[in-house]
Amino acid sequence: DAGVIQSPRHEVTEMGQEVTLRCKPISGHDYLFWYRQTMMRGLELLIYFNNNVPIDDSGMPEDRFSAKMPNASFSTLKIQPSEPRDSAVYFCASSLRYGGQPQHFGDGTRLSIL
Amino acid sequence: SQQGEEDPQALSIQEGENATMNCSYKTSINNLQWYRQNSGRGLVHLILIRSNEREKHSGRLRVTLDTSKKSSSLLITASRAADTASYFCATDEVIQGAQKLVFGQGTRLTINP
Repeated sequence: DAGVIQSPRHEVTEMGQEVTLRCKPISGHDYLFWYRQTMMRGLELLIYFNNNVPIDDSGMPEDRFSAKMPNASFSTLKIQPSEPRDSAVYFCASSLRYGGQPQHFGDGTRLSIL
Repeated sequence: SQQGEEDPQALSIQEGENATMNCSYKTSINNLQWYRQNSGRGLVHLILIRSNEREKHSGRLRVTLDTSKKSSSLLITASRAADTASYFCATDEVIQGAQKLVFGQGTRLTINP
């Protein structure tokens, strides 16, 4: 079975540029999560969707961040404009339910903003 | 908010020894999960223990949960080099009416051959 697929795996870009991260969840999973991982702050939940609808975006750091899920098999996380402090590893995860179920993570996108 | 706090932050042992990692949390939980993260990879779910369970086993993994002390431990027996990774506990938490799975900072485990 294919797991959660993220692209790109690595992204290096200059500050001010728009960055788009992509995620394909596991088929049949109703929940999709976007996380950010840094050494200083650990793993932070940015936003999650249930059946393609954003449920909680309180973790999104600023208006520069936006996320969409146009259908059950695709989600994007966009940063515009990007800043050096956005450099981190961004993970997408999916699960059947929220609570009492494991989350399945992709291998992440390592983002470097110069 | 940081719900799960792992201890120790780093652990280095010899292959074949047992490794024990601890997790403490602050509020009531429905369940607690443990995840492993290999370098450069995503988190992988290891085991879930519900609040009404005290111990759970999966292969060489043993997890305990003490809700009175708000703590959990993960024991890896007969460690192998491939067990080298970071290990995270995660707890369900309701923050401002929204349910969230909150991860601790993790324990970096190194198994020396």
